[in-house]
Amino acid sequence: KAGVTQTPRYLIKTRGQQVTLSCSPISGHRSVSWYQQTPGQGLQFLFEYFSETQRNKGNFPGRFSGRQFSNSRSEMNVSTLELGDSALYLCASSPYRDSDEKLFFGSGTQLSVL
Amino acid sequence: KQEVTQIPAALSVPEGENLVLNCSFTDSAIYNLQWFRQDPGKGLTSLLLIQSSQREQTSGRLNASLDKSSGRSTLYIAASQPGDSATYLCAAGGFKTIFGAGTRLFVKA
Repeated sequence: KAGVTQTPRYLIKTRGQQVTLSCSPISGHRSVSWYQQTPGQGLQFLFEYFSETQRNKGNFPGRFSGRQFSNSRSEMNVSTLELGDSALYLCASSPYRDSDEKLFFGSGTQLSVL
Repeated sequence: KQEVTQIPAALSVPEGENLVLNCSFTDSAIYNLQWFRQDPGKGLTSLLLIQSSQREQTSGRLNASLDKSSGRSTLYIAASQPGDSATYLCAAGGFKTIFGAGTRLFVKA
């Protein structure tokens, strides 16, 4: 069974640009959540999608958005990039996000904003 | 607001030693507690998950315990090996999964 796939692996952008990251969950998993990881703030929750609906959202500005498609694949978009958006962006999937389900993470997208 | 703290921030031990990593959380209204391993530049690998109604879970040389009343979890690693060197993170599961900053472990051969 294929794991969680994130593309691209690396991205370099300049301030003011926008970026779209993609996440394909494990087959059969309907919950996809996104996290930002930086050396200073650690891992922070961005949002979670289930069956194309955003169920939970972290404390990030509106420049960060996401969506989920009918096949459970998810994308996140960051508009008007800032230097501080440089981070490793991770997505995780689970079947339903129930209490007995582990989270399975992708390898992440390393975003550098210049 | 849930806050998760991990102690120590870093740990260096000789091979073969048994060790304990600590995790504390402020809000006991969690539905699970997970321990993850992260290698440099990589994603996270789930090691153990303890549901809120459980007290501990074991997998091989790893044992994790959960005490919701005191807001604490521990990860016990027996007979450590150089391959165990990584960052270990705990996460309090709820509507939003909140992660600790991690413990960087280095096991010397």
